[in-house]
Amino acid sequence: EPEVTQTPSHQVTQMGQEVILRCVPISNHLYFYWYRQILGQKVEFLVSFYNNEISEKSEIFDDQFSVERPDGSNFTLKIRSTKLEDSAMYFCASSEALLAGGNNEQFFGPGTRLTVL
Amino acid sequence: SQKIEQNSEALNIQEGKTATLTCNYTNYSPAYLQWYRQDPGRGPVFLLLIRENEKEKRKERLKVTFDTTLKQSLFHITASQPADSATYLCALDPWNTGFQKLVFGTGTRLLVSP
Repeated sequence: EPEVTQTPSHQVTQMGQEVILRCVPISNHLYFYWYRQILGQKVEFLVSFYNNEISEKSEIFDDQFSVERPDGSNFTLKIRSTKLEDSAMYFCASSEALLAGGNNEQFFGPGTRLTVL
Repeated sequence: SQKIEQNSEALNIQEGKTATLTCNYTNYSPAYLQWYRQDPGRGPVFLLLIRENEKEKRKERLKVTFDTTLKQSLFHITASQPADSATYLCALDPWNTGFQKLVFGTGTRLLVSP
């Protein structure tokens, strides 16, 4: 069964460093997302991406964050200058084209645990 | 303010019983609501979607109801098994944008003992 993959599974970085989290969405999916989950807290939406541009972003997704689809398969999240509070599990998700009037499930990857020291 | 609330206390039940989890929301008017399962250290896994014009949806041992008047969804697992132990999340698209931004509840942890 197709699945979303993410690398690395765990990233440790120093505060102020840049990190890039990588995701390979399911191949025929057109909508891509990043969420984060701080330990013990709820899953929070960061950004959605469609047709090579951001569709929606949350207030968490400030200028320190950016997303890119550099080729036909990868979808990346970059954090320019990490802060301690960026430590969290970051999940990538993808979904198929939307049906008219309906909504499809989102398929989540296994996550990247980011630890900022 | 807008909220999605799930019981933060873990639900402990015995194998074979029916588990019922609650999701309440305020100041949203979702066209649909989704339920996901999350295991420790893993990403959420989609279980069921129910639309505002559907009162009830079933999938195998799972049943979801959606009451837009009460602003509540109930999630039932019948004949529960220890393998059903996980955290269950409800989620909705707050503005029905179609871009599927999902807002999640905090989740309820279910523990099914043999």
